[in-house]
Amino acid sequence: DSGVTQTPKHLITATGQRVTLRCSPRSGDLSVYWYQQSLDQGLQFLIQYYNGEERAKGNILERFSAQQFPDLHSELNLSSLELGDSALYFCASSVEIGQGGAGELFFGEGSRLTVL
Amino acid sequence: AQKITQTQPGMFVQEKEAVTLDCTYDTSDPSYGLFWYKQPSSGEMIFLIYQGSYDQQNATEGRYSLNFQKARKSANLVISASQLGDSAMYFCAMSPGASMNRDDKIIFGKGTRLHILP
Repeated sequence: DSGVTQTPKHLITATGQRVTLRCSPRSGDLSVYWYQQSLDQGLQFLIQYYNGEERAKGNILERFSAQQFPDLHSELNLSSLELGDSALYFCASSVEIGQGGAGELFFGEGSRLTVL
Repeated sequence: AQKITQTQPGMFVQEKEAVTLDCTYDTSDPSYGLFWYKQPSSGEMIFLIYQGSYDQQNATEGRYSLNFQKARKSANLVISASQLGDSAMYFCAMSPGASMNRDDKIIFGKGTRLHILP
């Protein structure tokens, strides 16, 4: 158990719909990352938050948005869903370098989104 | 731009043999971190090992070691005495910078699927 919690684990929805994926980082971790893993693909970096503020952005679609709340949990919102958005969405948190870690990511179990 | 390349899409290895998974990277940052993750069929991502760009010695964690060749920009993962449970997808990843305030676009390679044969 990595200590990172993601909900829901599975989600099936239709094209055009909107979903929200939720992530609670490990206790004490200030950084939250979102990644998308499509079938048999590597992980595509979407976005990173640090202590409530956006720190880095990857190839995140305009239909997708995210935020990190004061209690440090994060939500990834996916709207106007398309078939190609079907993927495993991972949330990860990390310990900052100098705070006892090497900055490695601790991943949640992922939210598997299926768009029909 | 940073880039991670894993050239072996799949590998088959006999149980108890050692296996090397290749990873090359490209970055203009003088400071960076390299990671390996394991993804079993169940889907979770498991952190295996880390190497900092300024580390003088190769990282080791149990049966895992990282063969870091900075001049060649390679960071190969070596698994000694492979076990059936090592069958999984393996990802190499890189984080730019090593400071606390780094811009964390941690990027991943496309992975290598390792099959351990009994």
